[in-house]
Amino acid sequence: EAQVTQNPRYLITVTGKKLTVTCSQNMNHEYMSWYRQDPGLGLRQIYYSMNVEVTDKGDVPEGYKVSRKEKRNFPLILESPSPNQTSLYFCASSPGTSGIRRIYEQYFGPGTRLTVT
Amino acid sequence: GIQVEQSPPDLILQEGANSTLRCNFSDSVNNLQWFHQNPWGQLINLFYIPSGTKQNGRLSATTVATERYSLLYISSSQTTDSGVYFCAVDTLNSGGYQKVTFGTGTKLQVIP
Repeated sequence: EAQVTQNPRYLITVTGKKLTVTCSQNMNHEYMSWYRQDPGLGLRQIYYSMNVEVTDKGDVPEGYKVSRKEKRNFPLILESPSPNQTSLYFCASSPGTSGIRRIYEQYFGPGTRLTVT
Repeated sequence: GIQVEQSPPDLILQEGANSTLRCNFSDSVNNLQWFHQNPWGQLINLFYIPSGTKQNGRLSATTVATERYSLLYISSSQTTDSGVYFCAVDTLNSGGYQKVTFGTGTKLQVIP
């Protein structure tokens, strides 16, 4: 089944404890992206990747890191989480090609609800 | 950056009624997509519609890119249509890469 998976789905952690949220897709998509969703602020793009080893900042990259060492995986790293990073996080992928630099239809993972105390 | 506004922000419908949701964007876009976020938080693709009109069952969408808006039509609404509807556009940033901006959302409640 074609899908985007995220792990963990739920996480409660403490300030400063490094964590990684994994994202994997099995559709051979080139484009992958991370979003956070907050009440009153909607969905905002954190980082995106046009292809392996090609990443760029979205609207709210502060406090996050990403890497794209292989096509199927795009982990989101919080080196020192803070309470303002408590949010619902979504990973997405799209068959957009880096050559054309265009995003096609995006497919979203189920979301990761993160609480930082 | 680009602004993406949706209207109305909230909508309550009686089951069986029709509705139109609107998405306005402030600049040229390459693509536009409509999503439904169900009450469990899952984001479901509805339409990928950079221009023109598409239909899928009781839902249809129209994008007029030259006038910078898109419409989502819901006919014969059902309680399962409840949730939040988002449009999302992608634009070219200064580095030559595509970034995505979501609209503000329309929260729909369909009552029996």
